[in-house]
Amino acid sequence: QVQLQESGPGLVKPSQTLSLTCTVSGASLTSGDYFWSWIRQPPGKGLEWIGYMHYSGSPSYNPSLRSRVTIFVDTSENQFSLKLNSVTAADTALYYCARGSVVVGTTFFDPWGQGTLVTVSS
Amino acid sequence: DIQMTQSPSSLSASVGDRVTITCRASQRISNFLNWYQQKPGTAPKFLIYAASRLQNGVPSRFSGSGFGTTFTLTISDLQPEDCAIYYCQQSYSTLTFGGGTKLEI
Repeated sequence: QVQLQESGPGLVKPSQTLSLTCTVSGASLTSGDYFWSWIRQPPGKGLEWIGYMHYSGSPSYNPSLRSRVTIFVDTSENQFSLKLNSVTAADTALYYCARGSVVVGTTFFDPWGQGTLVTVSS
Repeated sequence: DIQMTQSPSSLSASVGDRVTITCRASQRISNFLNWYQQKPGTAPKFLIYAASRLQNGVPSRFSGSGFGTTFTLTISDLQPEDCAIYYCQQSYSTLTFGGGTKLEI
């Protein structure tokens, strides 16, 4: 059974870089045709896709965040990570990592990590 | 971006009822539409992909339909554990989610 677990600081100062890591267990990042993904949810609000990366390909980012986001994969640790630069209070959210799959042409996310709350505040 | 609009934003129903949630896309998205269920304090759970295909292990009382711009999630024989927020998500272009529908029982 594949499981994902987010980790990283829960508090980031404005203008600094948010850094999170997702550790995958029960499967290898390099097995299968999956897109290792980040999704966030501001408190009390809906879901926003941040981006994803296939272990052997180029990342794909949400255009609204592209200038500030980097997603990369560490196959030796079976982890993938998110960096979001120049954060503001608007980046305060519950950050989820998830495994993306493409089946009959549609991309969906399953499973998800439990999520980690990141607050941007001085 | 393609905007996904869900209706209603919230609804209340009783055990045994049949409820329908609608998701409308701002442009045609074929059947590239998925549904998730999120219970309080937990991550979203994947339910349905490609508009109508049930993920393994999801109860058969959940069903989806639609094509193009209008999609529906139907829950038959509502159970107490179905109390949750339901989100649609399109993958035709930049991935976006609907605003959610809160189902109270």
